[in-house]
Amino acid sequence: EAQVTQNPRYLITVTGKKLTVTCSQNMNHEYMSWYRQDPGLGLRQIYYSMNVEVTDKGDVPEGYKVSRKEKRNFPLILESPSPNQTSLYFCASRYLATSPYNEQFFGPGTRLTVL
Amino acid sequence: QQPVQSPQAVILREGEDAVINCSSSKALYSVHWYRQKHGEAPVFLMILLKGGEQKGHDKISASFNEKKQQSSLYLTASQLSYSGTYFCGTETGANNLFFGTGTRLTVIP
Repeated sequence: EAQVTQNPRYLITVTGKKLTVTCSQNMNHEYMSWYRQDPGLGLRQIYYSMNVEVTDKGDVPEGYKVSRKEKRNFPLILESPSPNQTSLYFCASRYLATSPYNEQFFGPGTRLTVL
Repeated sequence: QQPVQSPQAVILREGEDAVINCSSSKALYSVHWYRQKHGEAPVFLMILLKGGEQKGHDKISASFNEKKQQSSLYLTASQLSYSGTYFCGTETGANNLFFGTGTRLTVIP
Protein backbone atom coordinates (compact mmCIF):
# COMPACT_ATOMS: atom_id res chain seq x y z
CA GLU A 1 0.00 0.00 0.00
CA ALA A 2 1.31 3.43 -1.01
CA GLN A 3 1.70 5.50 2.10
CA VAL A 4 3.57 8.00 4.20
CA THR A 5 4.29 6.84 7.74
CA GLN A 6 5.27 8.90 10.75
CA ASN A 7 6.50 7.86 14.17
CA PRO A 8 5.68 8.41 16.87
CA ARG A 9 2.03 9.38 16.46
CA TYR A 10 1.88 10.96 19.90
CA LEU A 11 4.71 12.33 22.00
CA ILE A 12 4.86 14.19 25.30
CA THR A 13 8.28 15.47 26.22
CA VAL A 14 9.98 18.13 28.33
CA THR A 15 11.73 21.32 27.35
CA GLY A 16 15.24 20.78 26.05
CA LYS A 17 15.12 17.03 25.49
CA LYS A 18 16.18 16.31 21.93
CA LEU A 19 13.72 14.34 19.84
CA THR A 20 13.32 13.01 16.32
CA VAL A 21 10.10 12.40 14.44
CA THR A 22 10.60 9.94 11.62
CA CYS A 23 8.90 10.09 8.24
CA SER A 24 9.08 7.45 5.55
CA GLN A 25 7.38 7.02 2.17
CA ASN A 26 7.26 3.97 -0.09
CA MET A 27 6.30 5.70 -3.34
CA ASN A 28 9.79 6.73 -4.53
CA HIS A 29 8.79 10.40 -4.31
CA GLU A 30 11.48 13.01 -4.81
CA TYR A 31 9.74 15.74 -2.84
CA MET A 32 9.14 15.56 0.90
CA SER A 33 8.03 18.23 3.31
CA TRP A 34 7.20 18.90 6.95
CA TYR A 35 4.30 21.07 8.12
CA ARG A 36 3.01 22.09 11.49
CA GLN A 37 -0.66 22.73 12.08
CA ASP A 38 -1.87 25.10 14.77
CA PRO A 39 -5.43 26.37 15.34
CA GLY A 40 -6.21 29.32 13.09
CA LEU A 41 -2.82 29.20 11.36
CA GLY A 42 -3.39 26.40 8.90
CA LEU A 43 -0.55 24.27 7.60
CA ARG A 44 2.77 26.05 7.80
CA GLN A 45 5.79 24.59 6.10
CA ILE A 46 8.87 23.93 8.21
CA TYR A 47 11.35 22.39 5.76
CA TYR A 48 11.15 20.69 2.41
CA SER A 49 13.39 18.55 0.24
CA MET A 50 13.46 18.18 -3.53
CA ASN A 51 15.67 15.11 -3.47
CA VAL A 52 18.40 13.31 -1.53
CA GLU A 53 20.80 15.76 0.15
CA VAL A 54 18.71 18.74 -1.06
CA THR A 55 16.79 20.51 1.69
CA ASP A 56 15.52 24.06 2.15
CA LYS A 57 13.71 26.17 4.70
CA GLY A 58 10.00 26.73 4.62
CA ASP A 59 8.15 29.50 6.41
CA VAL A 60 8.82 28.45 10.03
CA PRO A 61 12.19 26.63 10.22
CA GLU A 62 13.47 28.06 13.51
CA GLY A 63 14.13 25.38 16.11
CA TYR A 64 14.01 22.49 13.63
CA LYS A 65 16.49 20.50 11.60
CA VAL A 66 16.02 17.93 8.86
CA SER A 67 18.14 15.56 6.84
CA ARG A 68 17.58 13.63 3.63
CA LYS A 69 20.19 10.92 3.38
CA GLU A 70 17.87 8.44 1.71
CA LYS A 71 15.06 9.08 -0.72
CA ARG A 72 12.42 7.40 1.39
CA ASN A 73 13.21 9.03 4.76
CA PHE A 74 12.94 12.61 5.95
CA PRO A 75 13.30 12.89 9.73
CA LEU A 76 12.43 16.05 11.66
CA ILE A 77 14.77 16.87 14.51
CA LEU A 78 14.06 19.15 17.44
CA GLU A 79 17.42 19.65 19.17
CA SER A 80 16.05 21.59 22.13
CA PRO A 81 12.25 21.55 22.08
CA SER A 82 10.32 24.40 23.66
CA PRO A 83 6.62 24.68 24.60
CA ASN A 84 5.90 26.84 21.52
CA GLN A 85 6.71 23.80 19.41
CA THR A 86 3.70 21.99 20.79
CA SER A 87 1.72 21.27 17.65
CA LEU A 88 0.39 18.71 15.19
CA TYR A 89 3.05 17.80 12.66
CA PHE A 90 2.50 16.36 9.19
CA CYS A 91 5.00 14.89 6.82
CA ALA A 92 4.11 14.83 3.12
CA SER A 93 5.57 13.57 -0.12
CA ARG A 94 4.99 14.09 -3.81
CA TYR A 95 6.23 12.80 -7.13
CA LEU A 96 7.78 15.63 -9.15
CA ALA A 97 8.75 14.28 -12.55
CA THR A 98 6.74 14.27 -15.80
CA SER A 99 3.07 14.99 -15.04
CA PRO A 100 2.18 18.20 -13.17
CA TYR A 101 -0.97 16.54 -11.83
CA ASN A 102 0.83 15.07 -8.87
CA GLU A 103 -1.06 15.07 -5.61
CA GLN A 104 0.69 15.40 -2.31
CA PHE A 105 0.32 12.52 0.14
CA PHE A 106 0.26 13.25 3.85
CA GLY A 107 1.30 11.09 6.76
CA PRO A 108 -1.12 10.48 9.64
CA GLY A 109 0.35 13.23 11.81
CA THR A 110 2.35 13.42 15.03
CA ARG A 111 0.86 15.24 17.97
CA LEU A 112 3.71 16.70 20.01
CA THR A 113 3.38 18.24 23.44
CA VAL A 114 6.39 19.97 25.01
CA LEU A 115 6.04 20.65 28.73
CA GLN B 1 4.03 32.77 1.34
CA GLN B 2 0.79 31.32 2.64
CA PRO B 3 -2.22 31.91 0.40
CA VAL B 4 -5.24 33.57 1.97
CA GLN B 5 -8.50 31.68 2.25
CA SER B 6 -11.99 32.99 2.82
CA PRO B 7 -14.27 32.56 4.58
CA GLN B 8 -12.59 31.19 7.68
CA ALA B 9 -15.67 29.18 8.58
CA VAL B 10 -19.08 28.46 7.12
CA ILE B 11 -22.13 26.53 8.32
CA LEU B 12 -24.50 25.01 5.79
CA ARG B 13 -27.65 22.98 5.87
CA GLU B 14 -27.69 19.80 3.82
CA GLY B 15 -28.38 20.62 0.19
CA GLU B 16 -27.04 24.16 0.30
CA ASP B 17 -24.11 25.40 -1.76
CA ALA B 18 -20.84 26.99 -0.67
CA VAL B 19 -17.86 28.72 -2.25
CA ILE B 20 -14.40 28.81 -0.72
CA ASN B 21 -11.86 31.26 -2.08
CA CYS B 22 -8.08 31.13 -2.18
CA SER B 23 -5.84 33.99 -3.27
CA SER B 24 -2.13 34.53 -3.53
CA SER B 25 0.10 37.58 -3.88
CA LYS B 26 2.42 35.63 -6.19
CA ALA B 27 1.96 34.32 -9.71
CA LEU B 28 0.74 30.75 -9.51
CA TYR B 29 1.60 27.66 -11.47
CA SER B 30 -1.00 25.45 -9.87
CA VAL B 31 -3.52 25.26 -7.05
CA HIS B 32 -4.27 22.15 -5.00
CA TRP B 33 -7.35 21.54 -2.86
CA TYR B 34 -7.45 19.21 0.15
CA ARG B 35 -10.04 18.31 2.77
CA GLN B 36 -9.17 17.38 6.33
CA LYS B 37 -11.46 15.62 8.77
CA HIS B 38 -10.88 16.40 12.42
CA GLY B 39 -7.71 14.73 13.71
CA GLU B 40 -6.89 13.15 10.37
CA ALA B 41 -4.46 13.88 7.56
CA PRO B 42 -5.52 16.15 4.69
CA VAL B 43 -6.86 14.24 1.70
CA PHE B 44 -6.40 15.30 -1.91
CA LEU B 45 -9.39 16.62 -3.85
CA MET B 46 -8.03 18.11 -7.05
CA ILE B 47 -5.27 20.06 -8.81
CA LEU B 48 -5.75 22.97 -11.20
CA LEU B 49 -3.03 24.26 -13.49
CA LYS B 50 -2.62 27.77 -14.83
CA GLY B 51 -4.65 28.29 -17.97
CA GLY B 52 -7.91 28.85 -16.14
CA GLU B 53 -9.07 25.28 -16.23
CA GLN B 54 -11.86 23.94 -14.12
CA LYS B 55 -11.91 20.56 -12.53
CA GLY B 56 -14.75 18.58 -11.04
CA HIS B 57 -15.08 15.87 -8.45
CA ASP B 58 -18.65 14.65 -7.98
CA LYS B 59 -20.52 17.76 -6.72
CA ILE B 60 -17.28 19.52 -5.85
CA SER B 61 -15.61 21.60 -8.53
CA ALA B 62 -13.03 24.36 -8.71
CA SER B 63 -11.79 27.12 -10.95
CA PHE B 64 -8.46 28.91 -11.27
CA ASN B 65 -8.07 32.49 -12.44
CA GLU B 66 -4.35 32.93 -13.02
CA LYS B 67 -4.65 36.64 -13.82
CA LYS B 68 -6.06 37.29 -10.37
CA GLN B 69 -4.00 34.52 -8.75
CA GLN B 70 -7.19 33.16 -7.29
CA SER B 71 -8.96 29.85 -7.07
CA SER B 72 -12.44 29.00 -5.89
CA LEU B 73 -13.83 25.69 -4.66
CA TYR B 74 -17.54 25.12 -5.28
CA LEU B 75 -19.51 22.65 -3.20
CA THR B 76 -23.03 22.09 -4.47
CA ALA B 77 -25.92 20.30 -2.80
CA SER B 78 -23.75 19.79 0.29
CA GLN B 79 -23.85 16.50 2.18
CA LEU B 80 -23.00 15.78 5.81
CA SER B 81 -19.82 14.06 4.59
CA TYR B 82 -18.54 17.38 3.21
CA SER B 83 -17.89 18.66 6.72
CA GLY B 84 -14.23 19.30 7.45
CA THR B 85 -11.52 21.85 6.94
CA TYR B 86 -10.63 22.73 3.36
CA PHE B 87 -7.13 23.83 2.45
CA CYS B 88 -5.83 25.29 -0.74
CA GLY B 89 -2.18 24.77 -1.60
CA THR B 90 -0.43 27.03 -4.05
CA GLU B 91 2.60 26.37 -6.20
CA THR B 92 4.58 29.21 -7.76
CA GLY B 93 6.56 27.07 -10.20
CA ALA B 94 9.35 25.91 -7.92
CA ASN B 95 7.59 22.64 -7.11
CA ASN B 96 7.05 23.74 -3.52
CA LEU B 97 3.55 23.82 -2.06
CA PHE B 98 2.30 26.37 0.47
CA PHE B 99 -1.02 25.89 2.21
CA GLY B 100 -3.57 28.42 3.39
CA THR B 101 -5.07 28.85 6.82
CA GLY B 102 -8.04 26.65 6.00
CA THR B 103 -11.82 27.03 5.85
CA ARG B 104 -13.87 25.07 8.35
CA LEU B 105 -17.06 23.81 6.73
CA THR B 106 -19.86 22.39 8.86
CA VAL B 107 -22.89 20.80 7.24
CA ILE B 108 -25.89 20.30 9.49
CA PRO B 109 -29.04 18.23 8.85
